[in-house]
Order: sequence, then C-alpha cells, then structure tokens
Amino acid sequence: GQNIDQPTEMTATEGAIVQINCTYQTSGFNGLFWYQQHAGEAPTFLSYNVLDGLEEKGRFSSFLSRSKGYSYLLLKELQMKDSASYLCAAPRGSNYQLIWGAGTKLIIKP
Amino acid sequence: ETGVTQTPRHLVMGMTNKKSLKCEQHLGHNAMYWYKQSAKKPLELMFVYNFKEQTENNSVPSRFSPECPNSSHLFLHLHTLQPEDSALYLCASSQDPVGGGTDTQYFGPGTRLTVL
Repeated sequence: GQNIDQPTEMTATEGAIVQINCTYQTSGFNGLFWYQQHAGEAPTFLSYNVLDGLEEKGRFSSFLSRSKGYSYLLLKELQMKDSASYLCAAPRGSNYQLIWGAGTKLIIKP
Repeated sequence: ETGVTQTPRHLVMGMTNKKSLKCEQHLGHNAMYWYKQSAKKPLELMFVYNFKEQTENNSVPSRFSPECPNSSHLFLHLHTLQPEDSALYLCASSQDPVGGGTDTQYFGPGTRLTVL
C-alpha cells in the first residue's frame, strides 16, 4: 500500500533544534513535500525534495533519503511562532493526488 | 486579494440544510482542489478540477457536490449532511496539474464546518 507516517506530537524548547521525521511508501517516487499549518490556518509550503540530501532554507532544512523512504524536517533556533503542525506529503504516482501524513504537532516551550 | 480565499470561515448547519462553500484563487492557476481535514487524520482529497473539468472524485458521497464555473472559482454545495461530515474543508490550487502531483499546492484558510 501507499502511506506516510510521522509522529503525532513533539515538544521542544525555544532556541533549540528539533527534527521531525517522515517515512513514506509510494508507488514510484516524485518528490516529497513539507507544509506548515498553524492552528486554524491554511497549510503553507515549506519545501520540496526530489534528490537525496539536505536542502537548507534559513532556519529550516529538509533531508531526503530515497533508498530508505525517509525524510526529515530540521528546525533550528526554535521560536514560539514555530508552534504548528508539520505535514509531510508525497505524490501518489501519475495523477494529481498527494498522499498526506496526519501531521506532527510541534509544541514549543519557553 | 491575493492567494486563495475561502468563505465562509465558519459554518454551522443542520442535517436538512443546504449550504455552499466558496473558494477563489488569485494566482492564475489551472487546477483547484477540495480537501477534508479531520482532527489527527491525513488530509483527504475530495475533488480535483483541471481547467474547469473534474478529473478526480475520490468516492465522495453525493451529498457533496462540487462546481467549478471557471479556473478561479470553486464551490462545494452541501446538502443533507451528517454529523460525521463536521471538519475543516480546505481549498487549494496549483499551477500545472500535468506535473503529476509534483506541483506545489497553495491552500486557502479553510471553512470550519459543524453539522448538528
């Protein structure tokens, strides 16, 4: 089957670093997305990885290992505003559909 | 207005009511999507429209009826809903659906629907 797994909830401290993991099983591979969703708001695009390795965008980085079916989102210098759900998603194959994880709720404590 | 807008933001309706959700995208995109988001569950794709034509219907009950009059507007007509239909309904758009799902989707803020 095709599915995406990510932890339900994580807690971290302001100023620290946190890694949110995502494992996926899809038929074929066409990249992996990360989205951020604050409570009551729209999911917003963070990153899209199609090649192995780490891609850095400021405080956020995303890593992909295609051989392991694994990705992670790395958040550095955590700020209170980073408290949100982080959604992992991958294209299902040759159609327009994305398979979504249930999201990881990240709680930042002072 | 920029991005993707949705109205209303909140909706409470009885099981016998008829209501409609509206989505508008100001990004010049060609594809639009309806998703259902329930607590602690993955986003569920409901419908996809590509150049105003419906291309996906993921076995959605007929009490949900989509309408796409043009590439910028998308509606979801609701009729005889059940309490389990209570959820956040998200609209999204993307530039080029031919990319097979690899095109970034941009979401609206959603409509929080409660069915009594």
